[in-house]
Amino acid sequence: NAGVTQTPKFQVLKTGQSMTLQCAQDMNHEYMSWYRQDPGMGLRLIHYSVGAGITDQGEVPNGYNVSRSTTEDFPLRLLSAAPSQTSVYFCASSQQGANRYGYTFGSGTRLTVV
Amino acid sequence: AQSVTQLDSQVPVFEEAPVELRCNYSSSVSVYLFWYVQYPNQGLQLLLKYLSGSTLVKGINGFEAEFNKSQTSFHLRKPSVHISDTAEYFCAVSGGGTYKYIFGTGTRLKVLA
Repeated sequence: NAGVTQTPKFQVLKTGQSMTLQCAQDMNHEYMSWYRQDPGMGLRLIHYSVGAGITDQGEVPNGYNVSRSTTEDFPLRLLSAAPSQTSVYFCASSQQGANRYGYTFGSGTRLTVV
Repeated sequence: AQSVTQLDSQVPVFEEAPVELRCNYSSSVSVYLFWYVQYPNQGLQLLLKYLSGSTLVKGINGFEAEFNKSQTSFHLRKPSVHISDTAEYFCAVSGGGTYKYIFGTGTRLKVLA
């Protein structure tokens, strides 16, 4: 059982480049989220989705886009990378009623923007 | 609005000693409370959760936490830690009809030999 799979694990981008972080889950979870983790700041929600075709912004959405065309996939797009987006990115998924079940996290993507 | 505070950024403790990691929350509505563990270079893993009922919650790897409504706390404890417990621990709160979590800033537990 793969759970939540994130690719790539590491990425270095130049300022202004764009890229897509991939996230896929095989648990048929409705809820999916993207978080970024920065030292001393915990995890901050970027975007989330409550089902295919439905997405919404979290607390730090600027500079990022998402889409959810299938239940399984929830890619995160960086439109024009900036050094402030250097971070570790986590994708997470949950059953319906995520606030009761808790999240399953991927292993993360470590992104450096130079 | 909800918030979570983990006052201790780092907690060093000797192997086989007990440990308590502190978590305080604020919320105007009923909450669900969670502890997650993050081992180096990995994602977060759910340790335990409090939804309702008994205020003492047992989780994986011998950890337990106690919900204290009057103190708005949800401290994580383990009576005897091992080297393998070295990790970062995150408290999280959700509730009020939203599925979004609020995470604390994390406590880095370092178990010393």
